[in-house]
Amino acid sequence: QKEVEQDPGPLSVPEGAIVSLNCTYSNSAFQYFMWYRQYSRKGPELLMYTYSSGNKEDGRFTAQVDKSSKYISLFIRDSQPSDSATYLCAMSSPPGNQFYFGTGTSLTVIP
Amino acid sequence: DTEVTQTPKHLVMGMTNKKSLKCEQHMGHRAMYWYKQKAKKPPELMFVYSYEKLSINESVPSRFSPECPNSSLLNLHLHALQPEDSALYLCASGPDSNEKLFFGSGTQLSVL
Repeated sequence: QKEVEQDPGPLSVPEGAIVSLNCTYSNSAFQYFMWYRQYSRKGPELLMYTYSSGNKEDGRFTAQVDKSSKYISLFIRDSQPSDSATYLCAMSSPPGNQFYFGTGTSLTVIP
Repeated sequence: DTEVTQTPKHLVMGMTNKKSLKCEQHMGHRAMYWYKQKAKKPPELMFVYSYEKLSINESVPSRFSPECPNSSLLNLHLHALQPEDSALYLCASGPDSNEKLFFGSGTQLSVL
């Protein structure tokens, strides 16, 4: 079983839709949870970072962590064509400098 | 400033060439990383430097040689690469608490 599971998609939605991206994990020691956006042939950009359980909101983006279910989500409201990218979840636990990535979900927002 | 700067952005090299990738950060992070990423795959860890010392080497072939001259700089020296080494090479940095990771824009490497 992989440490982190993420549906690779692809996911295609109309402009203005609410997008839900999800990851599940198996290691209950994970404490830090990250979402990255990656455009083709570019480095991943850190979108959201959360510690332990709960919600965090930043503009059109909301990250949720449910540690009891080992499940994290990223919601994108009012999706835009510029949101078309691959979204990677990542998680870690101290110490150790190891980060565990999902395989990425490819999202296309159609104008 | 949350920027990790990588140069060059693109690199084409022959199998007998020697080249170097460079990375710089000024966020005061004490952990710096090299990752390799193939198309449609997640980043794959190669090396980690913590406080300027190599702390993780993920059994990377010796044709890849990392160097950390100081706390802001990270290099990856390349020699006698194979075509299957063609990939996006990503530098990253983060606090030693392991709570988040910032990536550079990457070097797209092609080995002919």
